[in-house]
Amino acid sequence: DTAVSQTPKYLVTQMGNDKSIKCEQNLGHDTMYWYKQDSKKFLKIMFSYNNKELIINETVPNRFSPKSPDKAHLNLHINSLELGDSAVYFCASSQGNRVRQPQHFGDGTRLSIL
Amino acid sequence: DAKTTQPTSMDCAEGRAANLPCNHSTISGNEYVYWYRQIHSQGPQYIIHGLKNNETNEMASLIITEDRKSSTLILPHATLRDTAVYYCIVISLGTASKLTFGTGTRLQVTL
Repeated sequence: DTAVSQTPKYLVTQMGNDKSIKCEQNLGHDTMYWYKQDSKKFLKIMFSYNNKELIINETVPNRFSPKSPDKAHLNLHINSLELGDSAVYFCASSQGNRVRQPQHFGDGTRLSIL
Repeated sequence: DAKTTQPTSMDCAEGRAANLPCNHSTISGNEYVYWYRQIHSQGPQYIIHGLKNNETNEMASLIITEDRKSSTLILPHATLRDTAVYYCIVISLGTASKLTFGTGTRLQVTL
């Protein structure tokens, strides 16, 4: 009964490939997020969706495209993967799109680009 | 959002209280103090938050100074499972959800 689940947990692929990471939450929250944690452990927000609508889009290359088919899912598709995309990607969710609401995180997807 | 300053690392003996300080001297009146932690190989976990009153929940206590320029997260009886990086984050009311994580404090709980 994991609250925020991401798949896959590990992803190893070659430069130039296209890949997707999936996220699902069963908390009934209406807001979901993608964060990226780089090799230096800095954790930065990438996107946020509220009721399937994009509300935050940080300075992220347009090779990254989030998609939210419903409130419980937020997927991340990455085109033409580059070495610098190697990182851990975390999905999170909260109730409400105001930052006061605590965010619940998944355990991350470790993406390695060869 | 106000900037925060935390020690890079701290040690604590198991069973003792862990007191993690955070300086946020530029905090404004409508900003909350939030604490999250990240245990190795896991996603961040919400701990507690407060505005100006001290707060306590099942995980920890948060003590905010009267001038709100600093705060302390207290884990009353630290266990080995509390070993993690602890992040103090200051957030404006009404801000669209966007947690900005700093470098945090790496807490090592030892036997």
